Amino acid sequence: DAGVIQSPRHEVTEMGQEVTLRCKPISGHNSLFWYRQTMMRGLELLIYFNNNVPIDDSGMPEDRFSAKMPNASFSTLKIQPSEPRDSAVYFCASSPTGRRTEAFFGQGTRLTVV
Amino acid sequence: GENVEQHPSTLSVQEGDSAVIKCTYSDSASNYFPWYKQELGKRPQLIIDIRSNVGEKKDQRIAVTLNKTAKHFSLHITETQPEDSAVYFCAADGDTGRRALTFGSGTRLQVQP
Repeated sequence: DAGVIQSPRHEVTEMGQEVTLRCKPISGHNSLFWYRQTMMRGLELLIYFNNNVPIDDSGMPEDRFSAKMPNASFSTLKIQPSEPRDSAVYFCASSPTGRRTEAFFGQGTRLTVV
Repeated sequence: GENVEQHPSTLSVQEGDSAVIKCTYSDSASNYFPWYKQELGKRPQLIIDIRSNVGEKKDQRIAVTLNKTAKHFSLHITETQPEDSAVYFCAADGDTGRRALTFGSGTRLQVQP
């Protein structure tokens, strides 16, 4: 398995533009997580899905952020409109269901909003 | 929800010395405590984990201890090497319904050759 795949790896966009980050979890993993990493706030959980259903989105900072998981092999995180303070590394992670186990992280998307 | 505190934020040791990183958590329902290592520009990767039915676990130069009564757990690295230099994160899984890891703020470990 290639692991968790995220795209793009880097994204530079202008303030006000829409940004879409993509994630393909490891096949067979039923839980998917979106984290944001910044120097100031560390690794923050934004949202997580179980069997494609959002379970906890309390970490989503504002209505400008939305996430979807239309099927077991794909998820998106959208920011509209983007702001400079959204600049961060966004990680997607997945884990198997049914037991407490590690989360496998993707390579991350480095987002810069100018 | 779960809150994880991690100390110290930075740690510098000489090669061959030991390093200890400590974490505390708030949710007594947490049962899974992983440690991740993140090298510069890379993804966090699991290095060791422990579950609440175990007090200590060791894997070569790395060990983790857990005290559920006090709600704290620690990472111990012995005989440190320059390649151990990275940021280390502890995490806890919180209540059974949530099952999403809450991470500590990270410890930047620098091993001086």
